Amino acid sequence: DAGVIQSPRHEVTEMGQEVTLRCKPISGHDYLFWYRQTMMRGLELLIYFNNNVPIDDSGMPEDRFSAKMPNASFSTLKIQPSEPRDSAVYFCASHSSRSSSNEQFFGPGTRLTVL
Amino acid sequence: AQSVTQPDIHITVSEGASLELRCNYSYGATPYLFWYVQSPGQGLQLLLKYFSGDTLVQGIKGFEAEFKRSQSSFNLRKPSVHWSDAAEYFCAVGTYNQGGKLIFGQGTELSVKP
Repeated sequence: DAGVIQSPRHEVTEMGQEVTLRCKPISGHDYLFWYRQTMMRGLELLIYFNNNVPIDDSGMPEDRFSAKMPNASFSTLKIQPSEPRDSAVYFCASHSSRSSSNEQFFGPGTRLTVL
Repeated sequence: AQSVTQPDIHITVSEGASLELRCNYSYGATPYLFWYVQSPGQGLQLLLKYFSGDTLVQGIKGFEAEFKRSQSSFNLRKPSVHWSDAAEYFCAVGTYNQGGKLIFGQGTELSVKP
């Protein structure tokens, strides 16, 4: 398996623009997680899905952030409009409930810079 | 409330020296415990995990960790550090009934002196 795939790897945009981050989980995994990593706040869970349904979005910072999972092999995290304080590395991770533990597999991340 | 504390933000050790990274957790149920490593510009890679059985677990790259329920700790150790171990290390806790959700500590950055 190719592992969790994220695109783009790097994104530079201007304040006010819409940003869409993409994630393809490992095939057969039924949980998908979006994290944000910053120097100040560390690794934060934004939202996670089970079987394409959002389970907990309490970590989503504000209404400018939205996430969708239209099918088992694809998810998006959208920021509209983007702000400089959104600059961070965004990770996607997936997990299978059939595993004997809660191990999550992480993608390489998308480094977002908002100017 | 669930939480994970990594008391050391940054640690520097000499190459060849032993290493111990501390992790304390607060969780009411029986935890699953993890250590992940993140190299600069990379995603997180699982080093090792504990969810039952022997409290001393072995991981990749020569790392081990010991679960101590009485101390709510899961410290990571390595007997001899290599320069390539320089990275950030994250401890995380989860439980089966939360469907894979993990709580991460703030991370410990490890520097290795030649």
